[in-house]
Amino acid sequence: GDSVTQMEGPVTLSEEAFLTINCTYTATGYPSLFWYVQYPGEGLQLLLKATKADDKGSNKGFEATYRKETTSFHLEKGSVQVSDSAVYFCALTNQGTGRRALTFGSGTRLQVQP
Amino acid sequence: DTAVSQTPKYLVTQMGNDKSIKCEQNLGHDTMYWYKQDSKKFLKIMFSYNNKELIINETVPNRFSPKSPDKAHLNLHINSLELGDSAVYFCASSSGASGPYEQYFGPGTRLTVT
Repeated sequence: GDSVTQMEGPVTLSEEAFLTINCTYTATGYPSLFWYVQYPGEGLQLLLKATKADDKGSNKGFEATYRKETTSFHLEKGSVQVSDSAVYFCALTNQGTGRRALTFGSGTRLQVQP
Repeated sequence: DTAVSQTPKYLVTQMGNDKSIKCEQNLGHDTMYWYKQDSKKFLKIMFSYNNKELIINETVPNRFSPKSPDKAHLNLHINSLELGDSAVYFCASSSGASGPYEQYFGPGTRLTVT
């Protein structure tokens, strides 16, 4: 079945540092890839998405590129802020198999210190 | 205007009780989902309905019974609650018979079984 692997956290950075959170996936067919963010005590918010190979998703300074050759969708931000502290989830759905439900990675907690 | 709403936000109950969680979406979506987030933040699909029809039923104890009275509502009833049912339950919705199945989440219901 489909699966998503994320780097273990927590990731602790100082404000204005560069962020990378690694995500790789295993899926048959044509997965769509997502990053969701969960702020403390809140639900999940869609951060960005990419639906086909070489697509770049971007939002709020975050970016991720769908790399089919390496089956990866790494999340990056050039300069993090304290307000970015949250748990980040990489996830996929799979049009190829018709699977609509999200398959999530285990989440990566980001802590940004002032 | 809350897109996906859940009630209650918190639910504390004793083992053996029966409880329900309600979800409503005003996005006009045709597919709704229940996800369970455990204490380690891991998210897993439980059920999904498309146009009131059950399309995903993962390996979940039959004490859990979803019900979709219409496309905008999906409820979750849990019988004979157990300690292991303590978790955060998220409702989500998405649109379209095809496409990336981008999902929008409710704020979650934190269930604590004592």
